[in-house]
Amino acid sequence: NAGVTQTPKFQVLKTGQSMTLQCAQDMNHNSMYWYRQDPGMGLRLIYYSASEGTTDKGEVPNGYNVSRLNKREFSLRLESAAPSQTSVYFCASSFHREKLFFGSGTQLSVL
Amino acid sequence: AQTVTQSQPEMSVQEAETVTLSCTYDTSESDYYLFWYKQPPSRQMILVIRQEAYKQQNATENRFSVNFQKAAKSFSLKISDSQLGDAAMYFCAYKKKGGSEKLVFGKGTKLTVNP
Repeated sequence: NAGVTQTPKFQVLKTGQSMTLQCAQDMNHNSMYWYRQDPGMGLRLIYYSASEGTTDKGEVPNGYNVSRLNKREFSLRLESAAPSQTSVYFCASSFHREKLFFGSGTQLSVL
Repeated sequence: AQTVTQSQPEMSVQEAETVTLSCTYDTSESDYYLFWYKQPPSRQMILVIRQEAYKQQNATENRFSVNFQKAAKSFSLKISDSQLGDAAMYFCAYKKKGGSEKLVFGKGTKLTVNP
């Protein structure tokens, strides 16, 4: 059982470049989430998907788009990366809406 | 909006001793979940313990226990017999029961365990 798998683990972008962070879970969870973690800020919710076909904005959605491709996969896209988006990104999933299972994170640097 | 406050950015403890990490939260809800997550240097987020607000009994998981004071909106984590492997960032988190999907995190407490 892989749990929640995120790719890539590390990425360096130049300002203005685009990229997609991939996330997949094999636990048959309904809900999936994208968080970003910045020093001294804890984890902040970017977007979430309560079920396949639905997505909703979290606390810090600006500059991001998401796609819930199917029940397993939830991707996060940066259309035009900015230095302010340098962060560690975590994907998570849950079934019972209370316990979250996290991926191992993506360290993103935007130069 | 719900907020979670961890007032101790850093804490340290001697190996085998006990340490308590503080967490307070603000909510108008009566039923919700509270969590403590551990994040070691590997960056992996690991669920340590969970508490349901309607349950009076404090949750325990081996050496980890909580002191849940609902009226005071306080949810502290006690680590007994601290081990070197307990060194990590610890995040307190809140989730409203039903409805909103958001898990709201505090800013974290960095725990150092001294040998």
